Amino acid sequence: EIVMTQSPATLSVSPGERVTLSCRASQSVATNLAWYQQNPGQAPRLLIYGASNRATDIPARFSGSGSGTEFSLTISSLQSEDFAVYFCQQHQKWPLTFGGGTKVEIK
Amino acid sequence: EVQLVESGGGLVQSGGSLRLSCAASGFTFSGHEMIWVRQAPGKGLEWVSYISGSGSDIYYADSVRGRFSISRDNARTSLYLQLNSLEVEDTAVYYCVRDGRTERGSYRRFDFWGQGTLVTVSS
Repeated sequence: EIVMTQSPATLSVSPGERVTLSCRASQSVATNLAWYQQNPGQAPRLLIYGASNRATDIPARFSGSGSGTEFSLTISSLQSEDFAVYFCQQHQKWPLTFGGGTKVEIK
Repeated sequence: EVQLVESGGGLVQSGGSLRLSCAASGFTFSGHEMIWVRQAPGKGLEWVSYISGSGSDIYYADSVRGRFSISRDNARTSLYLQLNSLEVEDTAVYYCVRDGRTERGSYRRFDFWGQGTLVTVSS
């Protein structure tokens, strides 16, 4: 199984700051990588698919990059609604696997 | 509007069974692959099972293979997950998720998630 590792586990940032989250795969997943945002008590929301494609209605401040084993999600200017947990997921091979998540909290 | 509404969760004793349902609407259900994903309290996300649009292809996570069974009824636009021989470790919110891609060669995009249904297994 492909192991997905996210870093850091927690990120403390101020509103308006730029933040970059990292995700590493234990083997190449090409660009078969997605990012999700989850707020407490809610279902995850798809942000990015295919490593760099924004999902429908996702604001332009969210961007994804990377290929192979190294990926990143950047939020250009954090808004209050962006403080949440972010997960990466690979769909290169079954089983689908998720990273452990990065919590973005208010500094 | 795409909607996925899960039901069937609840409290069950270890060794028991439950059947989860997911009622889909707002899209051509038979044209989309579907998965179940679960999330234990305070934990991360874990993929559980996959089913193709026709129901002919099915995959399971190792942790549930032989105990869980996925199925779908395209006429009723519903997805199901039969949970047997439940263990305490199966306690989680179970989400029904749509793969939004419509062409086989395009990227998968798990774009719609239900609100989840909580399964609690007691010892």
